[in-house]
Amino acid sequence: QSVLTQPPSVSEAPRQRVTISCSGSSSNIGKNGVHWYQQLPGKAPKLLIYYDDLLTSGVSDRFTGSKSGSSASLVISGLQSEDEADYYCSAWDDSLNGWVFGGGTKLTVL
Amino acid sequence: EVQLVESGGGLVQPGGSLRLSCAASGFTFRDYAMNWVRQAPGKGLEWVSTISGSATVTYYADSVKGPFTTSRDNSKNTLYLQMNSLRAEDTALYYCARAYSTTSEFDAWGQGTLVTVSS
Repeated sequence: QSVLTQPPSVSEAPRQRVTISCSGSSSNIGKNGVHWYQQLPGKAPKLLIYYDDLLTSGVSDRFTGSKSGSSASLVISGLQSEDEADYYCSAWDDSLNGWVFGGGTKLTVL
Repeated sequence: EVQLVESGGGLVQPGGSLRLSCAASGFTFRDYAMNWVRQAPGKGLEWVSTISGSATVTYYADSVKGPFTTSRDNSKNTLYLQMNSLRAEDTALYYCARAYSTTSEFDAWGQGTLVTVSS
């Protein structure tokens, strides 16, 4: 059971938009920045979005992050087949004194 | 170019020990915190440990606190993870990852080294 809650999977057609949610608590997302990672099949994770809504250099602006209270969202617009991957949210947890991750969301582009 | 290369993984019996290494290049190693993150086969990411650039601060996940020790040698640009009393549940791909500070995002990752705990 992960501290941050994400849907196990989402799917959408090419060129459409999809939202991946990440729910936490006041000790993690509610107090600290949320970071999003993309893990392509068989590859190491890669930082996409940091501190809620900042886009990593070189990452497509089709990726957008946001946060409200103790929840965060990653929106991917103009879906492409190459976006098929696992997506993870993460935040520092002040109560645990450590990092917490969501369980990951598998994106399928239909 | 930032590079992180893990090594030291392998097959070990339950109760055994292993030391992982992460060789860093392409940046000033001592200026960055470093992290270990693991991923069990077919599972999600699990944070393991964080160490500050000066090695004065370390944090551990409860699941590894005690048996695992993170250290670094800034003169060799290398991060270590000493793993003792290994259990089957420790079987995973272990990644090292760089961060600007102990509480900032992981902006560079290695390719991982596989640890298998089995008799």
